[in-house]
Amino acid sequence: AQKITQTQPGMFVQEKEAVTLDCTYDTSDQSYGLFWYKQPSSGEMIFLIYQGSYDEQNATEGRYSLNFQKARKSANLVISASQLGDSAMYFCAMTRKAAGNKLTFGGGTRVLVKP
Amino acid sequence: EPEVTQTPSHQVTQMGQEVILRCVPISNHLYFYWYRQILGQKVEFLVSFYNNEISEKSEIFDDQFSVERPDGSNFTLKIRSTKLEDSAMYFCASSDTVNTEAFFGQGTRLTVV
Repeated sequence: AQKITQTQPGMFVQEKEAVTLDCTYDTSDQSYGLFWYKQPSSGEMIFLIYQGSYDEQNATEGRYSLNFQKARKSANLVISASQLGDSAMYFCAMTRKAAGNKLTFGGGTRVLVKP
Repeated sequence: EPEVTQTPSHQVTQMGQEVILRCVPISNHLYFYWYRQILGQKVEFLVSFYNNEISEKSEIFDDQFSVERPDGSNFTLKIRSTKLEDSAMYFCASSDTVNTEAFFGQGTRLTVV
């Protein structure tokens, strides 16, 4: 079974600085997708960014970029120019083509942006 | 922008009662899901639904749970006889194809007392 590990339970970051959230995954599949979701204190899950296992370029979406290192099985999220509104819980998640489209989530990293 | 909507946002129920959580997925999406998140814990997969049937379910999704798409727009999760440990945030999600992002509703916070 696949497993997602987020080793940082919580992080502080200074406003306007960049922050990297770690995510490692474990799968023997060749075809899979990696996702990051943001969960603010209000509770909803907001999709941020997606990386397919066959994508050669790292995904970027505005201030979010995914540092995909396939050989290391890592998919770290980089948030550039942090804003106060970035304070939230961040979840890394994975789908495997062989397992349909269900998401397996990591334990999350809580980010607090300091002014 | 299209979104997944869930009702109610918060439900309190007595142990042993049946609850139905409702979801309206994004209209052109084909894959529907329920996840739950016990307070302070990770998000867990419950069930996926495609082509009017369950495509996959987790070990959490036992006989107390059922899902239904009663019409072209709604997708419901029923818990037949709630237990205290069913207290959690329940998320509905939908996606248009496999291996694309799933869009989540805002969640229903279920409290069993």
